[in-house]
This record gives sequence, C-alpha cells and structure tokens, in this order.
Amino acid sequence: QSVLTQPPSVSAAPGQTVTISCSGGSSNIGNSDVSWYQQLPQTAPKLLIYDNNKRPSGIPDRFSGSKSGTSATLGITGLQTGDEADFYCGTWDSSLSAYVFGTGTKVTVL
Amino acid sequence: QLQLQESGPGLVKPSETLSLTCAVSGGSIMTSSIYYWGWIRQPPGKGLEWIGSIHHSGITSYNPSLQSRVTIAVDTSNNQFSLRMTSVTAADTAVYYCARMITPSIYKDYFDYWGQGTLVTVSS
Repeated sequence: QSVLTQPPSVSAAPGQTVTISCSGGSSNIGNSDVSWYQQLPQTAPKLLIYDNNKRPSGIPDRFSGSKSGTSATLGITGLQTGDEADFYCGTWDSSLSAYVFGTGTKVTVL
Repeated sequence: QLQLQESGPGLVKPSETLSLTCAVSGGSIMTSSIYYWGWIRQPPGKGLEWIGSIHHSGITSYNPSLQSRVTIAVDTSNNQFSLRMTSVTAADTAVYYCARMITPSIYKDYFDYWGQGTLVTVSS
C-alpha cells in the first residue's frame, strides 16, 4: 500500500492532453523532489521527469511536471498512441526512510 | 551509454535465499559520489517497490519493510552489485530491476538508468 496515490487510469484521444496526479504528504512530496517514470508494456521503467519539472535529455517537451504542496502532476500534451503506458511518481519519504513510488496510472489513448 | 544487466536464478524455492547480481557497463560504479545503486521490484501486475540502494563506499539504505531479509553488496573490482534476500515466499515473486540512483543532495533522489529486469518466481 503506497503512500503516494495516483488515479488508476486516465484516457484521451490522440492529440489531446492528459494530466496525472500524485498525492502524498508532508513527509514525502511536501519536502522532497518528485520524479516520474514511464513503463511501456513489458519493459523497464524509464525516467521521464526529475526534480519536479526537469526533463532528461531525449524526453520531448510534450511531457511536463509540476509540484504544489503535497501533490505533484504529470502532464502529457499532443497524446500519441506510443504514449500508452503505466506512469509512476516517486520520491523520498523522510518518515519511512524509504524511496516510495506511486500506485501507478495506466494511460490509454482512445 | 551506461548499461545495467541483472542475472541470477529465475526460480527459488520457498524459505530459501534469492541472489541476484547487477553488472554495470559503459561507466564505473565509482564515478561519482552522488551515485547510488539500487534494487526495485515489481510483482506481476502490480506497482514498483524500492528494495534498497548502495553507494560504492559500501553505505547502504534499505526499505524498512524488507530490511530484516535483505543485503545489498557492491563489488567495485568487477563493477557490479548484488542483492540477497533470505526466507523468500511466494509474495517475493516479482520482476527485479537494478537501477542507478542519483542523489545530488538530500531528498532529491531519482533513478535514471534501469536494467531490463529479471523475473524471479518463488515456488517449490
């Protein structure tokens, strides 16, 4: 049972925008930076966003991240069929002394 | 380009010990003080769970929920690190990933390079 809560699924048509929320608390998102990971079917997770809103080299600017208080959000614009995947947020939890991942969100392109 | 590759038995009997190794290529495991090397697992159809991480100096950090059964060690001469988990049960069946953890300062951690993962099944 994760301390970071995400919606189980979101969906939208190609070209549209989706947002994925990650809700936590003061011991995790409230005082730590958030990262986001994309897991395509049957593959390893890939870093999408780090330090709340930074993109690693090679990640298109269609992907964006933000954080406010104890919640973080991942946005995907110009949705493509290749974006269908599971997405996870992650951060350090100072109370648990552990790195924690969100519950995961499946993105479906209609 | 940094690459990580997990290896180890795909089948472990209940109550026995799970042992995996992660070979790092394309870069030294000792390159920087901000790098830790971690293990993450994912039960079939479920989410990700951090198991623990190790620095090349030997400093370790474990998930408290697994700490009593887990040991992570680093082998700098062979540029690899390992995971040992004792007293496994069916609940430990999962894909196990190794990954590089970036820790530039406190509470800014993230995983930037991942191995492809290896499925470990716990069954008699």
